[in-house]
Amino acid sequence: KNQVEQSPQSLIILEGKNCTLQCNYTVSPFSNLRWYKQDTGRGPVSLTIMTFSENTKSNGRYTATLDADTKQSSLHITASQLSDSASYICVVSWDLSGTYKYIFGTGTRLKVLA
Amino acid sequence: DAGVIQSPRHEVTEMGQEVTLRCKPISGHDYLFWYRQTMMRGLELLIYFNNNVPIDDSGMPEDRFSAKMPNASFSTLKIQPSEPRDSAVYFCASSLGPGWGNTIYFGEGSWLTVV
Repeated sequence: KNQVEQSPQSLIILEGKNCTLQCNYTVSPFSNLRWYKQDTGRGPVSLTIMTFSENTKSNGRYTATLDADTKQSSLHITASQLSDSASYICVVSWDLSGTYKYIFGTGTRLKVLA
Repeated sequence: DAGVIQSPRHEVTEMGQEVTLRCKPISGHDYLFWYRQTMMRGLELLIYFNNNVPIDDSGMPEDRFSAKMPNASFSTLKIQPSEPRDSAVYFCASSLGPGWGNTIYFGEGSWLTVV
């Protein structure tokens, strides 16, 4: 069964600290993996998109890594800011005979404290 | 760019009533997606269109839900009759394509409460 699991469920860190969020998936065949940031009350915003051949993708202070062999991805946030407080959602997709399928993780809620 | 525009932003309706949610995708985007988000189930893809044609509606929960895209700049998601368990945030999104190279842009969502 195709699944996407994210950990931790929630995380509290102090401003300026780094943190790493995890995403494990069992989707096969795999097409691409996306990380989204969702502020409370807003729509998700794309952070990174990676295919199975990419190991690392950066977007400012956000760096996503992908290990297609172990089916694991991580999102590393460097020098956290108060504005990083949000939910981070991992989404895995695959192409099923020309139709794209998506599975969403339940997200990690990050709270950055001053 | 105006981004993906959804309306209404908030709706409270009584059980049994018809609900229509509206979406205007980003101009030039060929793909339009409807999602639902709840605390219990997270984000779920309901249906997506390519060039106004529904491609995958396997996520539509039941026959009470229907979606249309009469032209490239407008789509609706209709729930008839609505039930309390339909209470959720419904997001519309659009992109140039579903593949890895294309960002999916989300609207701000329509917050639906069915009482």
